[in-house]
Amino acid sequence: GAGVSQSPRYKVAKRGQDVALRCDPISGHVSLFWYQQALGQGPEFLTYFQNEAQLDKSGLPSDRFFAERPEGSVSTLKIQRTQQEDSAVYLCASSLGPRGESNQPQHFGDGTRLSIL
Amino acid sequence: DAKTTQPPSMDCAEGRAANLPCNHSTISGNEYVYWYRQIHSQGPQYIIHGLKNNETNEMASLIITEDRKSSTLILPHATLRDTAVYYCIVRAPGRGYQKVTFGIGTKLQVIP
Repeated sequence: GAGVSQSPRYKVAKRGQDVALRCDPISGHVSLFWYQQALGQGPEFLTYFQNEAQLDKSGLPSDRFFAERPEGSVSTLKIQRTQQEDSAVYLCASSLGPRGESNQPQHFGDGTRLSIL
Repeated sequence: DAKTTQPPSMDCAEGRAANLPCNHSTISGNEYVYWYRQIHSQGPQYIIHGLKNNETNEMASLIITEDRKSSTLILPHATLRDTAVYYCIVRAPGRGYQKVTFGIGTKLQVIP
């Protein structure tokens, strides 16, 4: 498809387990973002990649959260030793590029709904 | 980025125009106004953005006041599928990327 694709759509894990969430951005998009959205709230920024470089991870809530984009395309958000407060929708977004296009919109996937039991 | 203020909820009759207001009284000269919407169980969808001139596309119109301290998103003929949370965001270009800050938004309910 032409849009941002995220998988799995739903993930249920027991507290303490590790999880990995995948994002396939729009082909050719340089910028990739991860957001966390709690129920009833707007999305909260987690981290940003420009190609394979992680330029901003200021929104990651703890060192249990780790994101990578090794080849500058697909990205994975990993959460280690999950806790109940990690339950949320995790959204991925991509945009075309940073140079001279910083007013370009972001295109979002439909997210992964993570539930920690 | 400047802070925005939106009403938490609004209703609109199907087929009528939906006018969603946003206040951004501390907006700076180089900050753009963006609108996104989020339909239930989907990711946010970009609608429109502008700097100081009014903008129109196939989805909506954006009216920005002359002093740029407020704006209105207009959906000319609302349908039930327009029921969603609408986010107004103000941000400046630069630093090479967009760190978008969403608020609570306006929950628009289109009524049959």
